[in-house]
Formats: sequence, structure tokens, C-alpha cells
Amino acid sequence: DTGVSQDPRHKITKRGQNVTFRCDPISEHNRLYWYRQTLGQGPEFLTYFQNEAQLEKSRLLSDRFSAERPKGSFSTLEIQRTEQGDSAMYLCASSEDGSNQPQHFGDGTRLSIL
Amino acid sequence: AQSVAQPEDQVNVAEGNPLTVKCTYSVSGNPYLFWYVQYPNRGLQFLLKYITGDNLVKGSYGFEAEFNKSQTSFHLKKPSALVSDSALYFCAVRDMGVSGNNRLAFGKGNQVVVIP
Repeated sequence: DTGVSQDPRHKITKRGQNVTFRCDPISEHNRLYWYRQTLGQGPEFLTYFQNEAQLEKSRLLSDRFSAERPKGSFSTLEIQRTEQGDSAMYLCASSEDGSNQPQHFGDGTRLSIL
Repeated sequence: AQSVAQPEDQVNVAEGNPLTVKCTYSVSGNPYLFWYVQYPNRGLQFLLKYITGDNLVKGSYGFEAEFNKSQTSFHLKKPSALVSDSALYFCAVRDMGVSGNNRLAFGKGNQVVVIP
């Protein structure tokens, strides 16, 4: 069990640029989640995948955000035309199937918008 | 929607003393409750969960939590705190979405400071 891996760990970019983050879940986990965490707050749900299907998106996920999980393994989260308010920690989590399975989190990507 | 509340911002405790971090929940139906810990610049580590069964749940690193239905609480406890337990603690509840989405709704977190 190598855990959930996220890359990069930190990203600094100028406002208006596009950024892409990658998440590699635990290999046997079918379910994958993205959350966003701002300073002093708990994580907030962004989107959910079951295998390669994106089944739910939060209204926090504006049309500048897009997520994919093309082969049901790794996932990417892209933010287009970044804004200052996008500065946050982006966390990926994965879990096995089953309603009582805990989610296991990666160490996150910290995004800073200049 | 389901939610949890963590009423305290920071919990200070002397090393060796009992540690309690409070959490109350608001749900429709049966609650699925979780505790996570976060160290600086790291992701969340799963500590324990309550789904059903015994009200006292034992988890990792000597932590346990007590589910109390009448008080709608799920407080995290450790009998003897260590300096290494200093971290941010999050309570969470499953907030079921569509298509089997077991998304979690988190509290704002409690900073625990264990004083040597």
C-alpha cells in the first residue's frame, strides 16, 4: 500500500494561468474524490469518480474547473484562468467500494496565485 | 445536508493528561462519523470511524471516540496525550450524494497543542 500520491506538492502561478494537478490513488480503490481546503477550514467536497465516471460535482466547481479519470486509475484536476480565490490546498482521496469504507488522503497540492 | 460542528478552536493539554476533542453532528438518518488528523503541510490521516455497533470506537495511535446518540456527539479521546499528538483534528460525517457518492462533510477542525 503506497498510499495516495499527489503531484506537484506546491504550485505557484500568476493569475490567469492554467494549472493541472495529478492524483494517483491506492491501486485497488475504485472511488476517487477531490476536495479543496482553505486556511483555517476543513476540506470541502469538489467532485467524485467511480472508476472512470465522474458522477457528481459540487457547485463549488465552476466551469473553469475540470477533472478527469480517463482509465479509472489516476485523476487530473485542471483549473483554467486561475483567480486569487483559487489559492488553496487541493486534496485527493480514494476508497474501496462500500458505504462504510474510509477515505484515504494524499498530501495535497498547495496552489498559490500571485 | 449532514454536518458536524467542532465548537473549540484550540485545545491545550499537558503531556500525559487526558485529551478530548469535541464534535457534534446533525444528520437525517443514521450517522457515519469519522475522525482525521492533519499534520502541517500534510494530508488527512484516518484515525477511526463509527458506523454501527459499540458506542466506544477504538482507532489508531491510542485514540478512541464515543458515540452518543442522545447528545448527538462523537468526541475524540486519548487517555494520555503525547507531544507528538499536537496537530489539527477534523471530525467528518458522510453526506451521501448521488450515485453512491460517500462525500465527507468536515468540521472546521481543532488545533491540539500538547505542552511538554
